[in-house]
Parts: sequence; C-alpha cells; structure tokens
Amino acid sequence: EIVLTQSPGTLSLSPGERATLSCRASQSVSSSYLAWYQQKPGQAPRLLIYGASSRATGIPDRFSGSGSGTDFTLTISRLEPEDFAVYYCQQYGSSQRLTFGGGTKVEIK
Amino acid sequence: QLQLQESGPGLVKPSETLSLTCTVSGGSISSSSYYWGWIRQPPGKGLEWIGSIYYSGSTYYNPSLKSRVTISVDTSKNQFSLKLSSVTAADTAVYYCARPDRDGFQIDYWGQGTLVTVSS
Repeated sequence: EIVLTQSPGTLSLSPGERATLSCRASQSVSSSYLAWYQQKPGQAPRLLIYGASSRATGIPDRFSGSGSGTDFTLTISRLEPEDFAVYYCQQYGSSQRLTFGGGTKVEIK
Repeated sequence: QLQLQESGPGLVKPSETLSLTCTVSGGSISSSSYYWGWIRQPPGKGLEWIGSIYYSGSTYYNPSLKSRVTISVDTSKNQFSLKLSSVTAADTAVYYCARPDRDGFQIDYWGQGTLVTVSS
C-alpha cells in the first residue's frame, strides 16, 4: 500500500504570499495518477490538479503542480483570500484503489 | 452537467448497517467506461476511499473495510449504493459518492456529501 505524507500540516501565510505544499509517497507513483484537491469547510473537495501538473477546468493559473517519483509539490504563486483551505493529494494504485494524503491546511497568518 | 446526490439515514445505531444511495443525473451510469465510488471523511479528519463499482457490477474495496462493505449498482435507476455493516462510532463521517476519471482516476465529480452519525 502506498502512503502519501503531506507537509507541513499547517501553513500560515498572508494574502499575496507564495504557498508551497509537499506530498511525498512511500513508493514511486506514476505522475499520471497524482492529483491535488482543495476543500473548504462544509464543501466537497474540488479538483485542482491532475496528472501531477495539469490544471482542472476553471482552475486559476496561480495554482501549479510539479514533481515525479515520490515527491510532488502544489504551488500557489500568490495567495488570494479564497485560497485559504485544506489541500489534499491523491494517487491511484492498482485495482481502482485511491489513496489520499493527510492534508495541509493553509491558514491566514 | 453530471451531478451526484447521496441519500440515506443520517443516524445509525452501533452494530447496525449503514445504507446510502447515490443518484446520478445528467448522464447514464452505464453509458461509458467509468467506475463509481464512495469516499468518507470523519469530522475534522482526512479522506478515505471506501470502494468503487463498475456498471457491470465489478467491485473493488479498501482492504481495511472489505469485510464490512458492499457496493452495488442499479442501472435502471441510475443509482449505486453503499452498505457498511457492524458500524461503530469510528464510522461516523461525511460520506461522498464520486466519479473518478477513467484515465487518470482523479475525482472530477463529487456528491455534496452526507453526514452519517453512529450513535445509540
């Protein structure tokens, strides 16, 4: 079973700052199967990035994903007030199995 | 636009069976090569994949829940369902139905989620 570890657990930043979120896998993950989501309180997660670096429909270009193998990164270039939320990475293994990281909370400093 | 909507009891007693249904609208559950899945999120915690089903009935379950989970599909009603037996307080969570993409398996469609509380 592949385990995804996200860091930091909480990121305290101000609007306009750059956010860098990490997702580390316990084994190598195909970049094709690595996604990032944003979740706000009381809402379902929203797909941001798929295939490690492709933005989902309607996602602003301040969101970008990168990485390969076991290390993946979500970068928010300039935080907007609506970006303060919890972010999850997710990977697909075999047999339809999906695994999520524990999440990173981006909070207002 | 595809939409998914969960329905079912919001309160289940310990040791009983949790039952939820996901109704799909805006598209046919059997018209293309997609799996349909259930994901849960305990209050204040992260996301956990429960299992997935193909319209033909093929299923895949999270090994940690496999002994208690049954997912089924009713193509005539455009629905799929979740049953989780022998529930405890640890099964209290928001339950989401979802549709992973058929190529990259990222989840591009989510239901709004429904909170199920396990309590006597």
